[in-house]
Amino acid sequence: DARVTQTPRHKVTEMGQEVTMRCQPILGHNTVFWYRQTMMQGLELLAYFRNRAPLDDSGMPKDRFSAEMPDATLATLKIQPSEPRDSAVYFCASGSNYRGRDTGELFFGEGSRLTVL
Amino acid sequence: SQQGEEDPQALSIQEGENATMNCSYKTSINNLQWYRQNSGRGLVHLILIRSNEREKHSGRLRVTLDTSKKSSSLLITASRAADTASYFCATAGTASKLTFGTGTRLQVTL
Repeated sequence: DARVTQTPRHKVTEMGQEVTMRCQPILGHNTVFWYRQTMMQGLELLAYFRNRAPLDDSGMPKDRFSAEMPDATLATLKIQPSEPRDSAVYFCASGSNYRGRDTGELFFGEGSRLTVL
Repeated sequence: SQQGEEDPQALSIQEGENATMNCSYKTSINNLQWYRQNSGRGLVHLILIRSNEREKHSGRLRVTLDTSKKSSSLLITASRAADTASYFCATAGTASKLTFGTGTRLQVTL
């Protein structure tokens, strides 16, 4: 049963600490999205990749956030240093997009719930 | 920023009734999708409708799209308690970006 796997599921950390969230997309999918969900802002698109290349990370605070895909089986989202306002659920999603066609169905992981004290 | 706005924000109905949720968006799209999210879980894809389609069905789901009004609706017929969840519309443009709306919280009571 193919699924997107995210780790950790829960993370509590103190302000100023580095946080790394990991995502294993579904094998064969070539697009990966990172979203952040909060009660106030809803689902915000942070960054997305196609064929491991970043297409758009304009939704991400550049000074403290970074997103990478070191290989096709791993996507990472790093926050350094973390702040209380970063507390949210971070979702990774993967899908298939070929020859620049519009994005179809996305498969979401269960999310990483981050609390920064 | 959200591309879509769902209406209503919250909806409470009894089992067996139909539930209708609406989504409005701002820019041109290639397709519009609906997702469901149970509390504490990830989003699950329900249905996709392309910009050249006007209506689509999947089981108890019916989606309509009016590109002239930049709006879509999701109808769930004969609702069940298990349909209780948040429902989101998402729009896909030419840049491969998928942008989500604000969501509708549906509560189905026995």
